[in-house]
Amino acid sequence: GENVEQHPSTLSVQEGDSAVIKCTYSDSASNYFPWYKQELGKRPQLIIDIRSNVGEKKDQRIAVTLNKTAKHFSLHITETQPEDSAVYFCAASISTGRRALTFGSGTRLQVQP
Amino acid sequence: EAGVTQFPSHSVIEKGQTVTLRCDPISGHDNLYWYRRVMGKEIKFLLHFVKESKQDESGMPNNRFLAERTGGTYSTLKVQPAELEDSGVYFCASSQGNGLGRNTEAFFGQGTRLTVV
Repeated sequence: GENVEQHPSTLSVQEGDSAVIKCTYSDSASNYFPWYKQELGKRPQLIIDIRSNVGEKKDQRIAVTLNKTAKHFSLHITETQPEDSAVYFCAASISTGRRALTFGSGTRLQVQP
Repeated sequence: EAGVTQFPSHSVIEKGQTVTLRCDPISGHDNLYWYRRVMGKEIKFLLHFVKESKQDESGMPNNRFLAERTGGTYSTLKVQPAELEDSGVYFCASSQGNGLGRNTEAFFGQGTRLTVV
């Protein structure tokens, strides 16, 4: 089955700096890679996702890159703000419409004002 | 539109007792998933319903866990008898599954924090 590794487990940055979280996956059949953000006491929420037919996707201050050959994908947050502080989870799945997600172990991001 | 709701939000039970968690998915979502996060580790898949049928239950840890989704609406996850290692946050998620072979966004509930003492 799929295995997703996520690094780092914790990340502290100064407000305005960039943050990068990296994930690797094992199943070359995986082709859907969402990122979820979980703020303290709240539910995980999808912030961005990427499919294997593209190498990069951007949405304002967040971007995700995918390297299918190396089987890794990364989340990039630029101009970080205190409200970006949360736990971020990467995940992988086979996009058949009905497959569960395999998650990484999460990264706790702390943005220092 | 209401999101995915889970009940209770917290539950503290003694080892050997029974607990039942409930999940109400977003109306119209055929796919319902149960996940668990233990001690700050990854969110781990437990099982997946498509309507009332179990599509994949490969993540269920053992036969102390029983999930149902009668009528294809809400789902329950019962742990009987509970053990200490069952402690964690249990998440439910739902998605539409448009049948076109593409994943659609999975919406999560806020989770049930289960503590077995």
